[in-house]
Amino acid sequence: GENVEQHPSTLSVQEGDSAVIKCTYSDSASNYFPWYKQELGKRPQLIIDIRSNVGEKKDQRIAVTLNKTAKHFSLHITETQPEDSAVYFCAASSWGKLQFGAGTQVVVTP
Amino acid sequence: DTEVTQTPKHLVMGMTNKKSLKCEQHMGHRAMYWYKQKAKKPPELMFVYSYEKLSINESVPSRFSPECPNSSLLNLHLHALQPEDSALYLCASSQNPGGGYNEQFFGPGTRLTVL
Repeated sequence: GENVEQHPSTLSVQEGDSAVIKCTYSDSASNYFPWYKQELGKRPQLIIDIRSNVGEKKDQRIAVTLNKTAKHFSLHITETQPEDSAVYFCAASSWGKLQFGAGTQVVVTP
Repeated sequence: DTEVTQTPKHLVMGMTNKKSLKCEQHMGHRAMYWYKQKAKKPPELMFVYSYEKLSINESVPSRFSPECPNSSLLNLHLHALQPEDSALYLCASSQNPGGGYNEQFFGPGTRLTVL
């Protein structure tokens, strides 16, 4: 089955700086890669996703890149704000089944 | 309605109790999922229903019994649970079962405590 590795496990950034989270996956059949943000006590919320036929996607301060050959994808958050503090999960989907990475705790300090 | 709802929000039960978790969506999605999430861990898939039929069971113990009465509702029946089953139980739905590009929308979860 699919195995997704996510790094780093924790990330502390100053407000205004950029944050980067990296994930690798194992199953070449995976073709959809969402990123979820989960605040404490809340549900995971989709913040951005990318399909396997696209190399990069951007939505305001958030961007995701995908390298299918290397089987890795990354989340980039620019101009971080305190409200970006949360746990971020990457995931890879094959045949509708999501496999999540272990998560990254992001702390943005003012 | 663009949300997945779950009831109850919190549930405390003894190991001999029988209880049910409920999930509802009115987005016309044809796939529904149950996940279990322990603290500081990612969601773990338990069950997938596609077109109201159980399509994936991730080797979940039989003390968890899913049910999909119709395309909008998903239940998880609980019986003889163990304290280690205490977790956040998340329901999710997506438009298209199987295949890729399958954006999943999560409900708020039920926080379960087994005493």
